Amino acid sequence: DVKVTQSSRYLVKRTGEKVFLECVQDMDHENMFWYRQDPGLGLRLIYFSYDVKMKEKGDIPEGYSVSREKKERFSLILESASTNQTSMYLCASSFPDRDNSPLHFGNGTRLTVT
Amino acid sequence: GEDVEQSLFLSVREGDSSVINCTYTDSSSTYLYWYKQEPGAGLQLLTYIFSNMDMKQDQRLTVLLNKKDKHLSLRIADTQTGDSAIYFCAETKGAGSYQLTFGKGTKLSVIP
Repeated sequence: DVKVTQSSRYLVKRTGEKVFLECVQDMDHENMFWYRQDPGLGLRLIYFSYDVKMKEKGDIPEGYSVSREKKERFSLILESASTNQTSMYLCASSFPDRDNSPLHFGNGTRLTVT
Repeated sequence: GEDVEQSLFLSVREGDSSVINCTYTDSSSTYLYWYKQEPGAGLQLLTYIFSNMDMKQDQRLTVLLNKKDKHLSLRIADTQTGDSAIYFCAETKGAGSYQLTFGKGTKLSVIP
């Protein structure tokens, strides 16, 4: 079974802090994704990566950056956290097979910025 | 557009069948997926269907696809309280894409 592990289930940070959200997958997936989930808005793609050191902006990249130094690890960085970044953050990974590439999700990190 | 539409809420009695509906817009989508999210957890892949199929059955789950109307449904037979969750449908974002477009999710409540 694919395992996608997010390092924290809950985080509380102060406005202006630099925040790192970590995600590790154990299935040698090339593709990794970061989403945020908000009530009434569903899942919105922040960034994704299809290879080490590669990254692509998703639908809402503003205020975020990412790092993919190793294939199994994809980090989401909030350079200066703001209250509107309070959300549930979901990491996912998938194979590069472009015909059938279901995403496998971690359990999420609920971030509160005060 | 790339919207995937779902109704937000569904309430059923335990033992009844649940039908969760979804409409999508991208006719070039090759695969369509159903995910389940339990409270406080991530999304779990439930099932998927290839776009050249019109039905797929997996135990209590039946997926129906009407490609002409771009309509996808998930039927859960003999719904149990453990089926209470949010259900998301998702489509591939164009042929050959590994990105998915998700609906906003349908919250299924099962009444004992």
